[in-house]
Amino acid sequence: EVQLVESGGGLVQPGGSLRLSCAASGFTFSSYAMSWVRQAPGKGLEWVSAISGSGGSTYYADSVKGRFTISRDNSKNTLYLQMNSLRAEDTAVYYCAKSPIVVVVAALYYFDYWGQGTLVTVSS
Amino acid sequence: QSVLTQPPSASGTPGQRVTISCSGSSSNIGSNTVNWYQQLPGTAPKLLIYSNNQRPSGVPDRFSGSKSGTSASLAISGLQSEDEADYYCAAWDDSLNGLFGTGTKVTVL
Repeated sequence: EVQLVESGGGLVQPGGSLRLSCAASGFTFSSYAMSWVRQAPGKGLEWVSAISGSGGSTYYADSVKGRFTISRDNSKNTLYLQMNSLRAEDTAVYYCAKSPIVVVVAALYYFDYWGQGTLVTVSS
Repeated sequence: QSVLTQPPSASGTPGQRVTISCSGSSSNIGSNTVNWYQQLPGTAPKLLIYSNNQRPSGVPDRFSGSKSGTSASLAISGLQSEDEADYYCAAWDDSLNGLFGTGTKVTVL
């Protein structure tokens, strides 16, 4: 059974940093691209970042480019999101999500499994 | 960044057919496939339709998707109370960004 479990969320001050983790199990982690998607309280879904199965290709939304870094440790079956220079508008539930293939390609870029999410609150 | 536009709400009585539209542009829907997600209250999103019109295993055939040009649609036929949820379209944009639609809340009257 595929499981994705996020952790690392919490309360952080504006300008601060936080690292989210997503522990994966039930599938061959290195064989699939992974992504982060967030949802601000009461708002819609927003794509944040994606990474290929090898970790060699990464993609970012303009809103987080230069501040967030996606990475993965395939030996630990874990996806990460390093978030720096956090702003109030980064407050959201952050979901990790699995794609059906190893690379990020438009034709097959969708999320067949999602984690339960972890809440990040940026406030003083 | 580009935006995929959906109506904020849709509704119907049990058994009715409801359709949700998703409007994009040539750089996203016009050139890439569309996917749909269902988010029940308080839960993580769930894949409903992928590659424009494909249903994952376990998704009832009451749900169907289509795409034409720079727009896509999700249809729910035989609406049921458990279909009350938020629905999002999604697509990859040629600017190398993922995109979600603005979301549609479906209410079963």
